[in-house]
Amino acid sequence: AQKITQTQPGMFVQEKEAVTLDCTYDTSDQSYGLFWYKQPSSGEMIFLIYQGSYDEQNATEGRYSLNFQKARKSANLVISASQLGDSAMYFCAMTGRSGGGADGLTFGKGTHLIIQP
Amino acid sequence: DAGITQSPRHKVTETGTPVTLRCHQTENHRYMYWYRQDPGHGLRLIHYSYGVKDTDKGEVSDGYSVSRSKTEDFLLTLESATSSQTSVYFCAISLTRGQNTEAFFGQGTRLTVV
Repeated sequence: AQKITQTQPGMFVQEKEAVTLDCTYDTSDQSYGLFWYKQPSSGEMIFLIYQGSYDEQNATEGRYSLNFQKARKSANLVISASQLGDSAMYFCAMTGRSGGGADGLTFGKGTHLIIQP
Repeated sequence: DAGITQSPRHKVTETGTPVTLRCHQTENHRYMYWYRQDPGHGLRLIHYSYGVKDTDKGEVSDGYSVSRSKTEDFLLTLESATSSQTSVYFCAISLTRGQNTEAFFGQGTRLTVV
């Protein structure tokens, strides 16, 4: 069974500062994928970034990067130069098969990020 | 946007009535999923499908059934709705682009069982 742990229920950050959202995972699979999603107050789930377990480089997408430390089983999301529009719930998730996604995602409980002006 | 549409977007129904939620996709994705989102639980997988008439149970499948008679439609049915099934339901697809996997969600359906 897979498990995702997000230890920060809520965070307050000043605008323009960098933000790190923590995510640790547990799995017995050798091949897996890690995801981050943003859920604003409007409710939609927005895909941010993906990291495969065999990827040697950390994934980056614009202001988002994923700090992947395989030995520690952590997959922290880093948002550079935060903006007011980054205020939202953020979910870490994983799937058991990197590149397949056949068996669905296991989600953490989320971190509520609030960016303050 | 992966061309995913959920209907209805909002529904209120009475305990004991059957309810069907529809997920429609326009891009011929093979894998489709139904999740529910509840406070304090994040999203949890209900059922998923890996092709027409090929479905399997997820973590919280009790009280739910699914059908996929066409690639583009994945239906979630609550045979006899209960108050514990009040939730926000999300449909999703997954796809692989090269070495990357992406999973996209529909807009969600807010279901209230009274």
